[in-house]
Amino acid sequence: DVKVTQSSRYLVKRTGEKVFLECVQDMDHENMFWYRQDPGLGLRLIYFSYDVKMKEKGDIPEGYSVSREKKERFSLILESASTNQTSMYLCASSNPGDTQYFGPGTRLTVL
Amino acid sequence: RKEVEQDPGPFNVPEGATVAFNCTYSNSASQSFFWYRQDCRKEPKLLMSVYSSGNEDGRFTAQLNRASQYISLLIRDSKLSDSATYLCVQRAGNKLTFGGGTRVLVKP
Repeated sequence: DVKVTQSSRYLVKRTGEKVFLECVQDMDHENMFWYRQDPGLGLRLIYFSYDVKMKEKGDIPEGYSVSREKKERFSLILESASTNQTSMYLCASSNPGDTQYFGPGTRLTVL
Repeated sequence: RKEVEQDPGPFNVPEGATVAFNCTYSNSASQSFFWYRQDCRKEPKLLMSVYSSGNEDGRFTAQLNRASQYISLLIRDSKLSDSATYLCVQRAGNKLTFGGGTRVLVKP
């Protein structure tokens, strides 16, 4: 069974803190993605990776960075969290040309 | 203009009725399309792929019209459990672009 897990379901951080969101998939997928989802704006792609140590900017990469040191793990980093980064963060994985499978999401609140 | 546009709804549907809604896309190079379903406070899950010839999966029928650049989803004999947000998705290469979702509420 397909499984994508995210390190936290809920997270509360303060402005200026460094935040790490971890995502792990157990399906040996090549591609991994980070999205944020906000009311009225839908899902927006932040970054994606199609191989270890490879990364590509999505539609809204500003204020974020990513790391993919192992095939199964894709981390999203907020170097200095701001209140406008309060959102639901969703990780997904897929093989090339295939559909994406999502993790349960992390609801991040930045105070 | 957004790449993928949907009527946000909500579509209020009596149980047992049929509901249909569309999604328009602007990228004519889109390779394939999907409908995802998202329940409240849950992650999106694949409902079905959309093929040019149209396809059916139980009570759900999806159609693609490349000439007019829209896809549709029809739900027959609606169940209370069909209440969800339905996300229209286009794929170009490895990248998916999501619509904002159409909310469907099935009521007894």
